[in-house]
Order: sequence, then structure tokens, then C-alpha cells
Amino acid sequence: KQEVTQIPAALSVPEGENLVLNCSFTDSAIYNLQWFRQDPGKGLTSLLLIQSSQREQTSGRLNASLDKSSGRSTLYIAASQPGDSATYLCAVQDDYKLSFGAGTTVTVRA
Amino acid sequence: DGGITQSPKYLFRKEGQNVTLSCEQNLNHDAMYWYRQDPGQGLRLIYYSQIVNDFQKGDIAEGYSVSREKKESFPLTVTSAQKNPTAFYLCASTGERNQPQHFGDGTRLSIL
Repeated sequence: KQEVTQIPAALSVPEGENLVLNCSFTDSAIYNLQWFRQDPGKGLTSLLLIQSSQREQTSGRLNASLDKSSGRSTLYIAASQPGDSATYLCAVQDDYKLSFGAGTTVTVRA
Repeated sequence: DGGITQSPKYLFRKEGQNVTLSCEQNLNHDAMYWYRQDPGQGLRLIYYSQIVNDFQKGDIAEGYSVSREKKESFPLTVTSAQKNPTAFYLCASTGERNQPQHFGDGTRLSIL
């Protein structure tokens, strides 16, 4: 069974600092890896999707890398802003099913 | 605007009662999913459906039931057999297997 772990569980940084969020998974036979953002009491918003054949994906200030062989992904957020405060979840897809980590809750202090 | 609508936003269940959570999408997606989220935990898959009139159990299906009579709709019933139903329930859909899942805003279910 796929296990997804996100470390740290919470992170607090001053505005302008770069954020580094980690995700690890136990079974490397994945179809893709997805990063989501969740605001309090809301659903999830897709940030980036990395196909299993890709090494990284970028969107604006966000960059996600994937090392399938070691079962790791990292989400980088450059020049953090208070609006980046949220919980970030990573999920790996196996066929049609997603397995989620518990998330990293980020607070960006103004 | 295309999206997923979940209703109600808040729901309260009495002992021994079944309750149904609604999920409607206008994205023309084939696949739909129901997840449960507990505090400090990741999402866990309850049921999913890849096509109308077909659905499969996820990791925690006991005490739940679903139907998929229309492409747009995938309601979830939380039965009285589910002894710990208090959670945040999220519905999602996707068109192609290699596209990100789109989520609704969730329903928070509590016990009276």
C-alpha cells in the first residue's frame, strides 16, 4: 500500500524567504505526482502535476521536482508572500487513485 | 464557470440517521471521487466512479454508499453503520487519468 509522508508538518517563515516543502512516497510505480493547496475550510486547488517521466514542473514562483527512484518530491516557492499561507498537500497517483500526505501548514509572517 | 458544487456546506446527523451529501459537476468529467479528511490527516478515498452506473470501493468504504445515475452527479450517503462520521467530506472529478483532480468546497458533517 502506498504511504505518503510530508515533512515538516508545519512551517513559519518571514515574508520574502524561499519555502521548501518535502514529500516522500514508498512505492515508486506511480503514474504522476500532484501538489495541491488547501485554505482553511475549503477544498483543494491543484498547483502542479508532474508526470512520472518528468523531473520537474514550474508555474510562476512554484517549482516542483520529482525523483521517482528515491521516492521523493520537493515543492519550492520563491519569495514567499503572506498570501502563500495555507496547507500544501502532495499526492501520488496509481492508476485512477490518489494517495495523499497529511500536508505541510505554511505561515508566512508579514 | 465550470466547477464542482457540494451541498450542504454544513450537515448534522442524529443517531441512527442516514444522511446524503450532494456533489454535482459541470466539467463533463467521467471520473468522480469522494474523500474524507480528518484533522491532521491526509485525504482518504471512500468511493470512486469512472463511468455512469459503475463505482468502486476506496480504502474506507464501510458505512458509506454511493450511486452514479448521471454523469454530473455522484451523491454520497453516510449510513447509520458509520460510527464515526464527523469529518470534512470532499468530492473531486477528473477528465483524463493524467489530469489534476478538481475539488469542491466540501461538506462538514457533525453528530448531534
